[in-house]
Amino acid sequence: AQSVTQLDSQVPVFEEAPVELRCNYSSSVSVYLFWYVQYPNQGLQLLLKYLSGSTLVKGINGFEAEFNKSQTSFHLRKPSVHISDTAEYFCAVSDPRSGETSGSRLTFGEGTQLTVNP
Amino acid sequence: ETGVTQSPTHLIKTRGQQVTLRCSSQSGHNTVSWYQQALGQGPQFIFQYYREEENGRGNFPPRFSGLQFPNYSSELNVNALELDDSALYLCASSLPDNQETQYFGPGTRLLVL
Repeated sequence: AQSVTQLDSQVPVFEEAPVELRCNYSSSVSVYLFWYVQYPNQGLQLLLKYLSGSTLVKGINGFEAEFNKSQTSFHLRKPSVHISDTAEYFCAVSDPRSGETSGSRLTFGEGTQLTVNP
Repeated sequence: ETGVTQSPTHLIKTRGQQVTLRCSSQSGHNTVSWYQQALGQGPQFIFQYYREEENGRGNFPPRFSGLQFPNYSSELNVNALELDDSALYLCASSLPDNQETQYFGPGTRLLVL
């Protein structure tokens, strides 16, 4: 079984400050890793994903994440946030084997509410 | 825009009733998954359909059922609604050559009174 822990439920920051949203996972097999963003009253939008290769992954809106296998982490970072980044962020994992013949099944964390203040 | 649409956007039902939620994916998306997102929580996997057959289920009772149609639309049916079924229901679809990436719809918010 897989699980995801997002270590901070709420992260308040000031505009133009850097931010890190922390994510740890537990799995007995290798995983795919994802970060999704959810704006109020909307669905989920994919920010970035790690499947294999380089451990530093760049996504949309200036976000990046680093896969650390030894620490089973996949923290999300942005060097300078904007007011418009205020949203809920979800880390998710899937088992690569489940996607061989059909779509991956995602296991999500509880989410981190990022609030960017002026 | 993900190209995945859901209807209705909001719905109010009473305990014991039945509900059908609908999802329309882009052409070619042969896999659809449904998730339940309770207030303040992350989405939970309900089940997945691949080529119109159920292809895995999460920890949800049989009163949650689904269908997938050849035109890339799908349904989530919930019978005997309970108060705890109140949640945002999300569908997500993926392409055959990009199965690991799921594209989410905006969701249907269900309130059970």
